[in-house]
Amino acid sequence: GNSVTQMEGPVTLSEEAFLTINCTYTATGYPSLFWYVQYPGEGLQLLLKATKADDKGSNKGFEATYRKETTSFHLEKGSVQVSDSAVYFCALAEAPNFGNEKLTFGTGTRLTIIP
Amino acid sequence: DAGVTQSPTHLIKTRGQQVTLRCSPKSGHDTVSWYQQALGQGPQFIFQYYEEEERQRGNFPDRFSGHQFPNYSSELNVNALLLGDSALYLCASSAQARSNTYEQYFGPGTRLTVT
Repeated sequence: GNSVTQMEGPVTLSEEAFLTINCTYTATGYPSLFWYVQYPGEGLQLLLKATKADDKGSNKGFEATYRKETTSFHLEKGSVQVSDSAVYFCALAEAPNFGNEKLTFGTGTRLTIIP
Repeated sequence: DAGVTQSPTHLIKTRGQQVTLRCSPKSGHDTVSWYQQALGQGPQFIFQYYEEEERQRGNFPDRFSGHQFPNYSSELNVNALLLGDSALYLCASSAQARSNTYEQYFGPGTRLTVT
C-alpha cells in the first residue's frame, strides 16, 4: 500500500536559518504530493503541492520538488521565521481516478523557530 | 466564503457511549472525507462521501459510520466508544468537478476525549 515517511522531529532552528524537512514515499502509479501545515490549535492547511515528476510546488517561501527517481518530496525554505513554527505533514494522493482523493499522511514534523 | 466548519469543537464521552460529529463543507464542494488524527500522529483516512454514498473506506471498524445529506453536509458516528478513539477528527471537503487538483480543504477538527 501507499506510505509516506518523513523526517522525525522535533526540529528547532534559529530565525533566518535554512530549513529542510525530508519526505519519501511509496506508491503505485504516479501520485500527487503535498505538504500540509498545522498551526497550534488549528486544522490542516495546504502549503504546496506537485502533481507530476519534476514539478516544483512553492508557497510563502517554501518549496518542494517532486523527485520520482528518488521518490522524494523534501520541503525547503531559505530563511525561516518565528511564525513558521508549526507541524508539517507530507502527504500523497493516488493516481488520477475519478473521485479518488484519499490522502495518506506522514507522521508529521514539529518545527520550532527561536528568535 | 465560509470554509469547512465542524461541530462541536470539543467533546468528552465515556467508554461504550456513542458520538456524532458534524461537518459542513466549503461552499461549492460536494465531497466530504473524514480523518482521525491521534495525538502526535498524522491523520488517518476513515471514509469519504459523495452523492450521499460512502465511496471509499480506510482501515476502520464498522463502529465508525457516516452519512451525507442532500446539502452535502456530513456526519460521523462512532458507536461503542473505546479509549483509543480519543483523537482529533478532521473533516475535509473537495469538489469532484475539479477533482484533478486533488485539493482538499480541512476544517478545524473536533477533539474527542473518551474517558
